[in-house]
Amino acid sequence: RKEVEQDPGPFNVPEGATVAFNCTYSNSASQSFFWYRQDCRKEPKLLMSVYSSGNEDGRFTAQLNRASQYISLLIRDSKLSDSATYLCVVITNYGGSQGNLIFGKGTKLSVKP
Amino acid sequence: NAGVTQTPKFQVLKTGQSMTLQCAQDMNHEYMSWYRQDPGMGLRLIHYSVGAGITDQGEVPNGYNVSRSTTEDFPLRLLSAAPSQTSVYFCASRPHGRASGNTIYFGEGSWLTVV
Repeated sequence: RKEVEQDPGPFNVPEGATVAFNCTYSNSASQSFFWYRQDCRKEPKLLMSVYSSGNEDGRFTAQLNRASQYISLLIRDSKLSDSATYLCVVITNYGGSQGNLIFGKGTKLSVKP
Repeated sequence: NAGVTQTPKFQVLKTGQSMTLQCAQDMNHEYMSWYRQDPGMGLRLIHYSVGAGITDQGEVPNGYNVSRSTTEDFPLRLLSAAPSQTSVYFCASRPHGRASGNTIYFGEGSWLTVV
């Protein structure tokens, strides 16, 4: 089983729609969780960290369920500029991993006019 | 503020050739790493380093060597390029010892094609 799994999509939604991405992780020792955004032919950039209590940043809401080992990202009122690939990222400190980031394969979002 | 600088941005190699992807950061970060990204595979860790003189293997290290003689530089070497190494390569850095990804910085990527 892959350490971090995401639905690859693509998600094709109209402007203004609400869209949700899900991510599961396999290692219960995972400690830190993030959503990164990657535009075509660009490097990944941090979108937001994910906290146990859930957190919101404008139109973006991230949630973490440690019991189910599940992370989500909700985007409200989608904009054309939200079109990108969204990467679920986990840090697990165990053995000699030194806190390396483990990336999911990403979920592609396309927002249409 | 240069951040993480990777060179070259694009490179075409013939099978069997060797080359080095350069990575430099000016933020005095202890931790540096190399990822490769292939269609449908996501980013996979090749090698990483937690400080000068210290390197370790990631998920897909075969065919690649690294060294860390200084804090600033972390070159990735392909000794004998193979078509399977055609990929996009990203270098990244962050302060070591902090389980916080919000301080990780990526280079702009290097597109490598092996023919």
